[in-house]
Amino acid sequence: DIQMTQSPSSLSASVGDRVTITCRSSQSISRYLNWYQQTPGKAPKVLIHAASTLHNGVPSRFSGSGSGTDFTLTISSLQPEDFATYYCQQSYSTPNTFGQGTKLDI
Amino acid sequence: QVRLQESGPGLVKPSETLSLTCSVSGVSITDYYWSWIRQFPGKGLEWIGYIYYSGSISYNPSLRSRVTMSVDTSKSQFSLNLTSVTPADTAVYYCARITLEVGGGDWFDPWGQGTLVTVSS
Repeated sequence: DIQMTQSPSSLSASVGDRVTITCRSSQSISRYLNWYQQTPGKAPKVLIHAASTLHNGVPSRFSGSGSGTDFTLTISSLQPEDFATYYCQQSYSTPNTFGQGTKLDI
Repeated sequence: QVRLQESGPGLVKPSETLSLTCSVSGVSITDYYWSWIRQFPGKGLEWIGYIYYSGSISYNPSLRSRVTMSVDTSKSQFSLNLTSVTPADTAVYYCARITLEVGGGDWFDPWGQGTLVTVSS
């Protein structure tokens, strides 16, 4: 299985901050990397697919980059609704695997 | 608007079979691949498997000996059976649609709201 490792596991920030979350895969996954956002009590929602493609309706303050084994999710200016947990997921091969999550709080 | 809704018992006894159904609306179930994913109390996410109406199936090797998925196109539903459950199978179980893009991989969207299944005697 491909292991996905996110850093940091948790992050404290303020409204207006720029934050970056990193995801690293245990082997090359090309650009087959997705990012999800999960708020308490809700299902995850896709933010970015194929490493850098913003999903329909997702605000442009979210962006993704990377290829191979190293990927980043950046939020350019945090809004109150962005405080949530973020997961990366590889779709390069089955079993699809997820990172352990990064909890973003105030 | 595509909607998915999980249903099934919230409590299952150890050694018994966990059975869940996902009802799909807003899209034809024959047009997409469908998946089950679970989230443990510690928040980790685990992909269980996917199914296509034609019978194409893939299971997570870690669960392959215990899991079965099926599709009922007449009811626009797909199902998950997990046998010989233990407390380690306690999790929120989600169903999700798989969206494919040529050259762009695939992703889970949307997800159902999830259903908590507790394994306990």
